[in-house]
Amino acid sequence: NAGVTQTPKFQVLKTGQSMTLQCAQDMNHNSMYWYRQDPGMGLRLIYYSASEGTTDKGEVPNGYNVSRLNKREFSLRLESAAPSQTSVYFCASTQHGAAYNSPLHFGNGTRLTVT
Amino acid sequence: DQQVKQNSPSLSVQEGRISILNCDYTNSMFDYFLWYKKYPAEGPTFLISISSIKDKNEDGRFTVFLNKSAKHLSLHIVPSQPGDSAVYFCAARASNTDKLIFGTGTRLQVFP
Repeated sequence: NAGVTQTPKFQVLKTGQSMTLQCAQDMNHNSMYWYRQDPGMGLRLIYYSASEGTTDKGEVPNGYNVSRLNKREFSLRLESAAPSQTSVYFCASTQHGAAYNSPLHFGNGTRLTVT
Repeated sequence: DQQVKQNSPSLSVQEGRISILNCDYTNSMFDYFLWYKKYPAEGPTFLISISSIKDKNEDGRFTVFLNKSAKHLSLHIVPSQPGDSAVYFCAARASNTDKLIFGTGTRLQVFP
């Protein structure tokens, strides 16, 4: 049982390059989330998808786009990477969404460096 | 504007003693609170939660206390074990939303 799988695990980009972070879950969860973790800032919500076909902004959405491709997959795209986007990115999922008091299950993260 | 705050970035406790991790929040609409534990190079894992209708929830060595009037919650670990050494995040959710807001984390080190 893989749970939440994120690819790639590491990535180095030059300023202005684009890339897509992939996330897939095999738990048949309805809701999926993208967070970034920075030193001293904790985990900050970028975007989330309460159910297939819907997406909503979180605390720090600027510079990012998301796609809920299907129930299993939720991707995060950086169109023009900036050094401020250097971070560790975590994808998470939950059965019914945080509104139903169900805990999030996290992937192991993607460490992104933008030079 | 940090709605969920963990003012102690680190905590060091001797094995067998109690660890107390604290968390403060500012949004009075938060009604569900969780604690997560994170080891290096891994994602956070769920530890324990509490609803605002309770003031205490216990699960084995872990107990979470909620003081709504003070907008404060704490996680007690007793007895502390070396395997508890990790970063602990508290998180909160406002009623009827799907947004889970995390604090900045506290690094706990349990030494022999």
